Amino acid sequence: EIVMTQSPAPLSVSPGERATLSCRASQSVGSNLAWYQQKPGQAPRLLIYGSSTRATGIPARFSGSGSGTEFTLTISSLQSEDFALYYCQQYNNWPLTFGGGTKVEIK
Amino acid sequence: EVQLLESGGGLVQPGGSLRLSCAASGFTFTSYAMTWVRQAPGKGLEWVSTISSSSGATYYADSVEGRFTISRDNSKNTLYLQMNSLRAEDTAIYYCTKRSPAFDSWGQGTLVTVSS
Repeated sequence: EIVMTQSPAPLSVSPGERATLSCRASQSVGSNLAWYQQKPGQAPRLLIYGSSTRATGIPARFSGSGSGTEFTLTISSLQSEDFALYYCQQYNNWPLTFGGGTKVEIK
Repeated sequence: EVQLLESGGGLVQPGGSLRLSCAASGFTFTSYAMTWVRQAPGKGLEWVSTISSSSGATYYADSVEGRFTISRDNSKNTLYLQMNSLRAEDTAIYYCTKRSPAFDSWGQGTLVTVSS
């Protein structure tokens, strides 16, 4: 099983600042990596797939990068609606696995 | 607009069974693999099971293998999860998701509580 490790936990950021979230895979997943955002009481929402492709309707301030075992989600200028939980997930190998999540909170 | 509507959750005793359903609309159901993902209270996301578009292939997490069965009825645009021998640790919100191959659409979830 591929273990996905996210850091930091949590991440305290001021509105308008940049947030950088990390995700590490225990073995290579190529570019088969997705990022999701989840707000309290809501289902997760796909932000990024293929490591760097924004899903439909996702603002340009969200960007993803990386390949192999190291991945990054960057939120260029945090808006109030961006304070939430973020999960990475690999879909390169069975079983599909998620990271433990990074909570982005207001500093 | 893609819509995924789960139903069938509820309170069940340990060892009991439940069948979850997910009614899909707004996309060509027969073209996509479908997946169940769960989230225990206050915990992270856990992949449970995936079924291919034609039902020819199914995949399960070790934690549910042999107890849960995923299926789909493409004539009804509906996904199912038959859950048997339920345990307390199966308590979670169960989400139905469309796989493409990331999970690009999610239902609102249905809560399953396993407790005596």
